[in-house]
Amino acid sequence: QKEVEQNSGPLSVPEGAIASLNCTYSDRGSQSFFWYRQYSGKSPELIMSIYSNGDKEDGRFTAQLNKASQYVSLLIRDSQPSDSATYLCAVNTKDNDMRFGAGTRLTVKP
Amino acid sequence: DAGITQSPRYKITETGRQVTLMCHQTWSHSYMFWYRQDLGHGLRLIYYSAAADITDKGEVPDGYVVSRSKTENFPLTLESATRSQTSVYFCASSRAITGTEAFFGQGTRLTVV
Repeated sequence: QKEVEQNSGPLSVPEGAIASLNCTYSDRGSQSFFWYRQYSGKSPELIMSIYSNGDKEDGRFTAQLNKASQYVSLLIRDSQPSDSATYLCAVNTKDNDMRFGAGTRLTVKP
Repeated sequence: DAGITQSPRYKITETGRQVTLMCHQTWSHSYMFWYRQDLGHGLRLIYYSAAADITDKGEVPDGYVVSRSKTENFPLTLESATRSQTSVYFCASSRAITGTEAFFGQGTRLTVV
């Protein structure tokens, strides 16, 4: 089992819709969780970080964390074509390193 | 300029050659990471370092060597390049291992022919 798993997609949503991205992780001791966005040919950039159970909102983005279920999600409201990218879930593991999922490719259609 | 930089941006090398990818950061971050990114695999951790002279293996360390004699530099060496090491390599740094994000370099596209 991989340490961090994501649905690879592709996920396609119409402009203005809500995009929902999901991630599960295997290390129960993980404390820090991140969502990165990566445009084609570019390096990953941080979208959201979350450290405690519940929701965290930042503009159109909401991260949700459920440590009991070992589940992290990212919601993008009012999706825009500029949100089209690959979204990477990252988790700090018990070994004190940072592991990434394979990424979910999101396409927002005008 | 402050930040994290990788060099070279593009590299073509032959099978069996040794090649070194450079990574330099100006923030004095303690942690530094090397990832490779291949289609369908996302980012896979090769090696990481918690401080100067402290390195540890990640998911896919075989065929790679790292060193960290100075906090700001974290070179990655392919001792004898193979075609399976053709990939995009990203270096990243972080102030701490928990509670803070990692910042990425621009990436190095390595092709082994």
